[in-house]
Amino acid sequence: SQQGEEDPQALSIQEGENATMNCSYKTSINNLQWYRQNSGRGLVHLILIRSNEREKHSGRLRVTLDTSKKSSSLLITASRAADTASYFCATADLPSGGYQKVTFGTGTKLQVIP
Amino acid sequence: EPEVTQTPSHQVTQMGQEVILRCVPISNHLYFYWYRQILGQKVEFLVSFYNNEISEKSEIFDDQFSVERPDGSNFTLKIRSTKLEDSAMYFCARGGIRQGLGYTFGSGTRLTVV
Repeated sequence: SQQGEEDPQALSIQEGENATMNCSYKTSINNLQWYRQNSGRGLVHLILIRSNEREKHSGRLRVTLDTSKKSSSLLITASRAADTASYFCATADLPSGGYQKVTFGTGTKLQVIP
Repeated sequence: EPEVTQTPSHQVTQMGQEVILRCVPISNHLYFYWYRQILGQKVEFLVSFYNNEISEKSEIFDDQFSVERPDGSNFTLKIRSTKLEDSAMYFCARGGIRQGLGYTFGSGTRLTVV
């Protein structure tokens, strides 16, 4: 499998429900990030969780990281139609100086039905 | 005002032609990146650029690709002799990982090679 594989590949939920997306990776990381991409648009950084953190919140977003299982999850609570987008996890390898390369996963396409 | 501006937003070019994609990252960051995303596929790392030099490149970034920061602000990706399979969205990004901010991406250039 590749570094940063999300599941499910696609998720369709009703507005108001929670959406959970999972990401698994293979190598040691410095941090893991989640990005959102609206169709045909650029990537927007949502949240970053460092390897020594287990959980992080930002508004309706909750991210967990389990480095022993090399996995992360993104939970969007009380979803809205505007949350419809593709969500990517991205792992940053151990830094060399200030430089970190980020490797993206395959993405989860979320559809929130109004 | 976006922090990373890419031009053009869409470029159509004939196979074999050279294209230059431009990025203006508004900041004093030293690390810049180019990624590409073939339609419907994952976001792939192309090259990272630090202090006016390439710090890392992927196997995709072969001899037809080059990057420059010609005037200290603009950051360009040149594709010398475009192929049909170069059709993709190309994203420029600047780093912010040390600050816990992840990457800041531009809105991308959609390159169509015909």
